[in-house]
Amino acid sequence: GAGVSQSPSNKVTEKGKDVELRCDPISGHTALYWYRQSLGQGLEFLIYFQGNSAPDKSGLPSDRFSAERTGGSVSTLTIQRTQQEDSAVYLCASSFTGTGNTGELFFGEGSRLTVL
Amino acid sequence: AQSVTQPDIHITVSEGASLELRCNYSYGATPYLFWYVQSPGQGLQLLLKYFSGDTLVQGIKGFEAEFKRSQSSFNLRKPSVHWSDAAEYFCAARNAGNNRKLIWGLGTSLAVNP
Repeated sequence: GAGVSQSPSNKVTEKGKDVELRCDPISGHTALYWYRQSLGQGLEFLIYFQGNSAPDKSGLPSDRFSAERTGGSVSTLTIQRTQQEDSAVYLCASSFTGTGNTGELFFGEGSRLTVL
Repeated sequence: AQSVTQPDIHITVSEGASLELRCNYSYGATPYLFWYVQSPGQGLQLLLKYFSGDTLVQGIKGFEAEFKRSQSSFNLRKPSVHWSDAAEYFCAARNAGNNRKLIWGLGTSLAVNP
C-alpha cells in the first residue's frame, strides 16, 4: 500500500492475555518506530529500528513488551500478560533515511488496545 | 535533559481568527524541529519542519512556523483558522545527524468555534 498500515485497528483483550500488533511500513523506508499514546497524553517512544542496526529499545516500559522487525520490513509489537495500564493507542511510523531524506515520519492510524 | 514544551494544553479560537501555538525546546545545540497534526482517529501528519536556513518556514494547509534561537521557540501560526483545523498539534525535535529519535511535546488540542 501507499501508506503505513497497522493491524488490528482495534483490539479488546482480557487482562493477562498476550497481544500482537502489526505494522507494515512504507516500502523502502528503513526506519521504523513504535509509539504509545494514552488518552490525553503525548507520544511515548517505545522502540526504533534502523536498517540492520540493533534496535533502540530504550522506551519499552517493561520486559512484557517486545518488538521485532522481520526482513527489514514488517514489524510486530508483542505485549505479554497485558495489564489495564497497557490500554492505549499504539502508533507505528516509518521514514526514509537515504540520500535526500527530509526527516519526515509517516504514521499509521494506530492500533487501539483496550485491556479489560 | 533534552525536552520539548508546549505550554498550552487546549486552545479555542473562532473560525477566521488567527492562531499561534507555542513550542519551546531545550537542547544543547539547535535541533531539527517539526510540527505534526493529528485529526481525531487519525495518525499524525507532518505540517512543516525546520532544519536550517530561513527561520520562517511554510507548511501545508496554510500553516507557517518561525524559529527563534534567542527564545528557543518554534511557534506555529495560521492567519485564518478553518473549522477543519480542529485537531491535536504536536511539536517535536531531534538532534541533527544520525540520531533520529524524536522528543515530543505533549500536544495542544485546538477547538474551533463556528
